[in-house]
Amino acid sequence: LAKTTQPISMDSYEGQEVNITCSHNNIATNDYITWYQQFPSQGPRFIIQGYKTKVTNEVASLFIPADRKSSTLSLPRVSLSDTAVYYCLVGGGDDKIIFGKGTRLHILP
Amino acid sequence: DVKVTQSSRYLVKRTGEKVFLECVQDMDHENMFWYRQDPGLGLRLIYFSYDVKMKEKGDIPEGYSVSREKKERFSLILESASTNQTSMYLCASRGNDEEGQYFGPGTRLLVL
Repeated sequence: LAKTTQPISMDSYEGQEVNITCSHNNIATNDYITWYQQFPSQGPRFIIQGYKTKVTNEVASLFIPADRKSSTLSLPRVSLSDTAVYYCLVGGGDDKIIFGKGTRLHILP
Repeated sequence: DVKVTQSSRYLVKRTGEKVFLECVQDMDHENMFWYRQDPGLGLRLIYFSYDVKMKEKGDIPEGYSVSREKKERFSLILESASTNQTSMYLCASRGNDEEGQYFGPGTRLLVL
């Protein structure tokens, strides 16, 4: 199972673009990279998933280099409501994916 | 919209009681999961199921069992609750490989 490493915490300001990078050096060929957001006292919420290159949706972008050993979640123009814990996961066919401890993102006014 | 519901948001039980946590999803997903989340430890997988009557152990199955009699329902059972099972319990479901998991709101269980 691929292990992920991401910063424990980050601070940013409203209106800024925030990039959170995750390392996953032993990612397997069939693994996807998935990011979740979690607010206090709620279950995690799926943000974005990708396999390679770049994926964009209405919430975020996900950049994956060719070697797939890392990925970067990009949140454009963050607001106070983006303060949350963000989890990077890798996993695939066996469905047994591991949540790490996540990155605690704190957005300041 | 996928909806995953859990039977209780808050639950208080006594040591030794049998506890049932129910999870229901309405999207016909094959895969369902039970996690517990504790401060400083993140989410840890207890059990998962990829089909009716099928179950697989996660990372911390000890003290728990599960039941999947119907596709939409996945139950977590604490046969004899202990204080170290006080935690937030999260259920999730997933469809195909290209989707993420959809989580329920969680059940905060306190075992006295």
